[in-house]
This record gives sequence, structure tokens and C-alpha cells, in this order.
Amino acid sequence: EDKVVQSPLSLVVHEGDTVTLNCSYEVTNFRSLLWYKQEKKAPTFLFMLTSSGIEKKSGRLSSILDKKELFSILNITATQTGDSAIYLCAVEATGTASKLTFGTGTRLQVTL
Amino acid sequence: NAGVTQTPKFRILKIGQSMTLQCTQDMNHNYMYWYRQDPGMGLKLIYYSVGAGITDKGEVPNGYNVSRSTTEDFPLRLELAAPSQTSVYFCASSRGQSGELFFGEGSRLTVL
Repeated sequence: EDKVVQSPLSLVVHEGDTVTLNCSYEVTNFRSLLWYKQEKKAPTFLFMLTSSGIEKKSGRLSSILDKKELFSILNITATQTGDSAIYLCAVEATGTASKLTFGTGTRLQVTL
Repeated sequence: NAGVTQTPKFRILKIGQSMTLQCTQDMNHNYMYWYRQDPGMGLKLIYYSVGAGITDKGEVPNGYNVSRSTTEDFPLRLELAAPSQTSVYFCASSRGQSGELFFGEGSRLTVL
């Protein structure tokens, strides 16, 4: 059974801090790892990492994938209150559809 | 663009009642999914579809049924509601068989 474990479960930081969120996984026939941000409602896509793309960056957010050690990290620098959300990690195995296995998420709260 | 639209947003059911959660997308995506999200748990895949007329079970299909008569619509049916089905339900779609999922805003269902 595919498995995704995220840590920490929750985190409170001050605006301007840098945070690192962790995701470890076990999956048969790995295809990709994805990060999503969930504020009040729907998860929104952040990054997808694959064997051919193990590092991604967008503004203050960046992510790397270590396929050997089976983990990924999501970094957020210079955090802002708008970064407060649940961050979800998911893995995808090869197959006929994008059936994702999600972790339970890390709840990040950024305070002033 | 509307993206993925779910209705209703909220619903309270009595044990044993039936209902259908509606999901429609206007992105011409072949792949569609239903997930449920329980507090402290990751999103779990209920059913998915790779195209009109084709559906398959996910990780937690018991108590649910789906149909896919058109590319746009992917309704989820609960036949005999049980308290264990109290959850937030998300419909999603993807362009291809791998990659970014686009989520609807969710439907919060309570079974009493």
C-alpha cells in the first residue's frame, strides 16, 4: 500500500521566517510527487516533481525530491500571513490515471 | 472559466437517505476523480474515471456509486447514507493521466 507521511503536523512561525515542510513516501512504481496548498476550500497545485525534474522553484517557494531517500521538502522563505494554509504532499504511481495518495498535511500558521 | 463545479456545497442527511453530489468541469478533461477528506486524514480516492463510460474504484469505494455519461459530468451517489460518510467531498479533474489535478471547492456532507 502506498504511503505518505508529512511532518510536522502543524507549525506556527512569525512573518519573515523560513520554513521547511517534510514529506516521506513509500510507493510502488513511483511516477511523481506533488505539493498542494489548501486554504479554506479546494487544494491548489504548487509543484510536481518527477525523476526528470527533482527541483522546482516559484517565487519564495521551492521544493526538492530525493528519490534515493524517498522524501521531499517544501521550503518557504520570507513567510507572509497569506502563506497560512495546509500544505499537502501526494505521490502518484504509474498507471492509467493520476490516482494520488495524499499525506495528512502540515498546517502552517504565519503570525505578525 | 468555471473549472470544476460541485453542488451542493453543504448538505445534512438522515441515516439511510440517498443523495447525489454533482460535479461538472468545463476544461474538456478526460480524467475525473472523487476524493473525501476527513479531519486529520489525507484525501482518500473514492472513484475515478478515465473518460465517458469508464469508471473504476479507488481506495474507499464502499457505499458509493458513480457514472460518467458525458465528459463534463461525474456525479457521486450515496445510496444508504451512514454516519461514517460524514466528510468533505472533493471532485477533481486532470488533463492527462499524470499531473496536476484541478479541484472543485468541496461539498460538506453531514449524516445524522
